[in-house]
Amino acid sequence: QQQVKQSPQSLIVQKGGISIINCAYENTAFDYFPWYQQFPGKGPALLIAIRPDVSEKKEGRFTISFNKSAKQFSLHIMDSQPGDSATYFCAPLGGRRALPFGSGTRLQVQP
Amino acid sequence: DTAVSQTPKYLVTQMGNDKSIKCEQNLGHDTMYWYKQDSKKFLKIMFSYNNKELIINETVPNRFSPKSPDKAHLNLHINSLELGDSAVYFCASSRGAGELFFGEGSRLTVL
Repeated sequence: QQQVKQSPQSLIVQKGGISIINCAYENTAFDYFPWYQQFPGKGPALLIAIRPDVSEKKEGRFTISFNKSAKQFSLHIMDSQPGDSATYFCAPLGGRRALPFGSGTRLQVQP
Repeated sequence: DTAVSQTPKYLVTQMGNDKSIKCEQNLGHDTMYWYKQDSKKFLKIMFSYNNKELIINETVPNRFSPKSPDKAHLNLHINSLELGDSAVYFCASSRGAGELFFGEGSRLTVL
C-alpha cells in the first residue's frame, strides 16, 4: 500500500521561475506535513513543515499549501535559484507506524 | 559539532561478508532510525528505536540486525551481504514523532 504519492518525479525550472511539487497521502492520521531537501552526498534535511490547522505556511521563498479535504499538500519555491537544485521529499507523520517518504522529486534550476 | 554521525561513510565489500555501520546522535533525541536509499533515491524506513526499544521493523531480511546499546547509539549489522544490499544507508533521530535529523549516509557497495 503506497501511503504517499509525490509528483513530479523530476522538474526543470529556469532561474527565477516557480517550482511546484505535490504530495498526496491516504492516511488521515497524519498530522504533520514536512518537506525535506537533499543535496547530493548529504542526508535529507527539513526544509519547511505545516500542521493541519492552517492551509498555508510561508518561509522566505518556500511555501507549503495544504488541502486537508483533498489529502494533498504542495511545496512552492518562488524565484527558484540554481542553489535550490536538489531532491525534495514529502514525509507526512502521524502515529507510530512506519514513516513513509514520497518517492522524491529531482529539481534542477537552470541558470 | 555533528548532530548525527555515521561511520564509515563508504564501505566496499564482497558478497557473503558481514559488515556493521555505526550511528551516534548528540541531540538528546529518544528515537533513532535506519533508512535505506536506493539508486533511484527512494528512501525506505528499515527500523526505528524509541528509548532503546524496537518500535518499527519493516519487512527487512533477517540478515539485517539493529542494535541500540543506549539512546544515543543505533548500529546496523548486516550478515551475508548480497548485491542488492548496495545502497546508501541513513541514520536519523527525532524527539518523539517529530522532525527527522539525518546523518550524511553510509554508501555500501557489495561486489
